Amino acid sequence: DIQMTQSPSSLSASVGDRVTITCRASQSISSYLNWYQQKPGKAPKLLIYAASSLQSGVTSRFSGSGSGTDFTLSISSLQPEDSATYYCQQSYSTPLFGQGTKLEIK
Amino acid sequence: EVHLVESGGGLIQPGGSLRLSCAASGFTVSSNYMTWVRQAPGKGLEWVSLIYSGGSTYYADSVKGRFTISRDNSKNTLYLQMNSLRAEDTAVYYCASGIAVAGTGVEYFQHWGQGTLVTVSS
Repeated sequence: DIQMTQSPSSLSASVGDRVTITCRASQSISSYLNWYQQKPGKAPKLLIYAASSLQSGVTSRFSGSGSGTDFTLSISSLQPEDSATYYCQQSYSTPLFGQGTKLEIK
Repeated sequence: EVHLVESGGGLIQPGGSLRLSCAASGFTVSSNYMTWVRQAPGKGLEWVSLIYSGGSTYYADSVKGRFTISRDNSKNTLYLQMNSLRAEDTAVYYCASGIAVAGTGVEYFQHWGQGTLVTVSS
């Protein structure tokens, strides 16, 4: 079975910073990797699909890259509203989410 | 505009059954890739089940043989029948609709409901 590992599990950054979240698959998943944002008490929101395609309506401050086993989600010019938990999810086989990365804005 | 509304959650004793519903508007459930995802209190997202437009269904190992995903085209509604419930099934259950590009692994969940809470406890 494929395993998905996100790092870090949590991070703190300041408004205006650029942050990167990493997701690693235990085997190659090609580019079949999606990213979601979830705020407390809310449903997840799709940010990036197929590793690097920006979902319609999502700010271009979010970007994704990677293929094979290593993927990154980058957020530029951090804003207070980016405070959330971020999840990767592979679609190479039956869906599997990473454990999440909690982002705090200082 | 796409809208998904889950219902049917509540408090249920271990071993009991519950059926969750996800009423859709703005699109046709039977023509779309639909899924259930759950989130235990304070935990991460866990995929539960999915159904493709063609009718194929898949389940997480943790629910296989106990849960059944289905849809009612006349009501444009997705269901999750949950039997033999356990304490570890306690979670907020989300339904979501998505895109599945045929012949590829490009599959993702675009639209989500607000979730319904299932609590399994005696």
